Amino acid sequence: DTEVTQTPKHLVMGMTNKKSLKCEQHMGHRAMYWYKQKAKKPPELMFVYSYEKLSINESVPSRFSPECPNSSLLNLHLHALQPEDSALYLCASSQVSGVGGNEQFFGPGTRLTVL
Amino acid sequence: DAKTTQPPSMDCAEGRAANLPCNHSTISGNEYVYWYRQIHSQGPQYIIHGLKNNETNEMASLIITEDRKSSTLILPHATLRDTAVYYCIVSVITGGFKTIFGAGTRLFVKA
Repeated sequence: DTEVTQTPKHLVMGMTNKKSLKCEQHMGHRAMYWYKQKAKKPPELMFVYSYEKLSINESVPSRFSPECPNSSLLNLHLHALQPEDSALYLCASSQVSGVGGNEQFFGPGTRLTVL
Repeated sequence: DAKTTQPPSMDCAEGRAANLPCNHSTISGNEYVYWYRQIHSQGPQYIIHGLKNNETNEMASLIITEDRKSSTLILPHATLRDTAVYYCIVSVITGGFKTIFGAGTRLFVKA
């Protein structure tokens, strides 16, 4: 199984709502990533988890809260978002290794609209 | 900031080879060059990566110059399905993999 799944595919939420995005992989990868992608722009790294521990936070606002409950799951909890947070949110996973490189496998993304 | 420079767009005729250049003049000795592509509204897809030597897989070939300051991704027989944005990335390893996407090259394959 070389697939990264993300749910939901689409999400519409108000600025006072609390919602969560979910990502799952069963490739045995121990690095997982969240990216944000605005229209016609490249993906921007938000968070990296390595062995279920947060290793990189790219100065993301606290209204985005990541969680990695186990090696297969990655969540992104959303609270008090702004309309400018509307974007495609991508999850990815990879092996954790400095030898031989590490390709990332991406999910299809969750398209988020904040009203 | 992205450590790579790519042309914003390129055209290629269907069935011909598509050669996508990338400049990474500040690459360090232990950094890999990765190529991904993103077809409209989908997640990026890994294509190939390399360190020093040229690499080939079922999708593409990667040619890295001897000084490692630039590389070229070659799609040997482009099809309409290869129309996508192609990203060249230099991997920065900092306890987890910090991947910085540049603007990429939008490749149009035309019939």
